[in-house]
Amino acid sequence: EAGVAQSPRYKIIEKRQSVAFWCNPISGHATLYWYQQILGQGPKLLIQFQNNGVVDDSQLPKDRFSAERLKGVDSTLKIQPAKLEDSAVYLCASSLGPLTGYEKLFFGSGTQLSVL
Amino acid sequence: RKEVEQDPGPFNVPEGATVAFNCTYSNSASQSFFWYRQDCRKEPKLLMSVYSSGNEDGRFTAQLNRASQYISLLIRDSKLSDSATYLCVVATNAGKSTFGDGTTLTVKP
Repeated sequence: EAGVAQSPRYKIIEKRQSVAFWCNPISGHATLYWYQQILGQGPKLLIQFQNNGVVDDSQLPKDRFSAERLKGVDSTLKIQPAKLEDSAVYLCASSLGPLTGYEKLFFGSGTQLSVL
Repeated sequence: RKEVEQDPGPFNVPEGATVAFNCTYSNSASQSFFWYRQDCRKEPKLLMSVYSSGNEDGRFTAQLNRASQYISLLIRDSKLSDSATYLCVVATNAGKSTFGDGTTLTVKP
């Protein structure tokens, strides 16, 4: 079974530039999550989708971050403009869904973003 | 105060040692509890769920105390391959998961 696919694996940009990350969840998984993991910390939820609808985006900095999951399958996360403090690993995860309580999360390998 | 707090670590133990990690959570509405493992520069992976009755998986034992809002993970007979960061995860019935900052374990020969 193919896992959660993410690209790119690494990205280096200068502050104020834009960047986009892509995620393809495990086939059939209805729920998709984007997490931000800063070095030395645990993953922090940015946004949670169920199919193509947003379930929770309360911790997404909406002035600079946006995410979409147009057809309920793959998703993109964008940062525009980037700040130095956005340097982190961006993890995409998926779960089977629909939400009937907690379900095991399957994570992709992440995108390591460095903002210079 | 963070929603999920873990021992800061790091824990450095010899092979064969027993080590315990603790985790406390603040949201009394939390319903599900887990331990994830994260190897260096890798993604987190589910290690085990945590139940009120306690559960065991080989050398790993997890316990939950709802009254004290406390979760623990015990690793017996530590192996070199157990070296990793262990993340405590607390989830609501709506599926929202909150991760602790993790505790790093290094098992030395």
